[in-house]
Amino acid sequence: EPEVTQTPSHQVTQMGQEVILRCVPISNHLYFYWYRQILGQKVEFLVSFYNNEISEKSEIFDDQFSVERPDGSNFTLKIRSTKLEDSAMYFCASSGELYNEQFFGPGTRLTVL
Amino acid sequence: KQEVTQIPAALSVPEGENLVLNCSFTDSAIYNLQWFRQDPGKGLTSLLLIQSSQREQTSGRLNASLDKSSGRSTLYIAASQPGDSATYLCAVRQAITQGGSEKLVFGKGTKLTVNP
Repeated sequence: EPEVTQTPSHQVTQMGQEVILRCVPISNHLYFYWYRQILGQKVEFLVSFYNNEISEKSEIFDDQFSVERPDGSNFTLKIRSTKLEDSAMYFCASSGELYNEQFFGPGTRLTVL
Repeated sequence: KQEVTQIPAALSVPEGENLVLNCSFTDSAIYNLQWFRQDPGKGLTSLLLIQSSQREQTSGRLNASLDKSSGRSTLYIAASQPGDSATYLCAVRQAITQGGSEKLVFGKGTKLTVNP
């Protein structure tokens, strides 16, 4: 069964460093998302992406964040200068149709020291 | 602003019991609602998607109901098994003028433990 994959599973970085989290969505999906979950808290929406453009973003998704689909299979989230409060599990999701079921990857645990 | 609440935060039941998990949302103008399960340290597995026009959706031993006007959804699990132990999350998609918002708004989840 097709699934969303994410790499790495765990990333440790120093405050102020740039990180890139990678995702491979389900192959025929067109809508892509990033969410995050700080330990013990709710899953929060960051951004949605369609047709090589951001279609919706939350107030969390400030200038420190960017997303890209560099080729036909990968979808990336870049955090330019990490802060301690960026420590969280980051989930990528994809959907085959607008407003339809979203399928999530296993997540990347980001630890900022 | 949409708020999603799941009560109880944790539930422990003996194997074989039927159980109901609750989800409530403050703004009834939703496009659809999705139930997920999350195993410790893992991603979210989609269980059911229920559209705002539907009252129920079933998959195997799972049945989700939706009462949009009262802002409630329930997830019924029949004949629970130890393998059902996980955190169950409810997420709503807001309806907007053009259709639906693309983001899901999540509850904090109900942690279910099914004891053998």
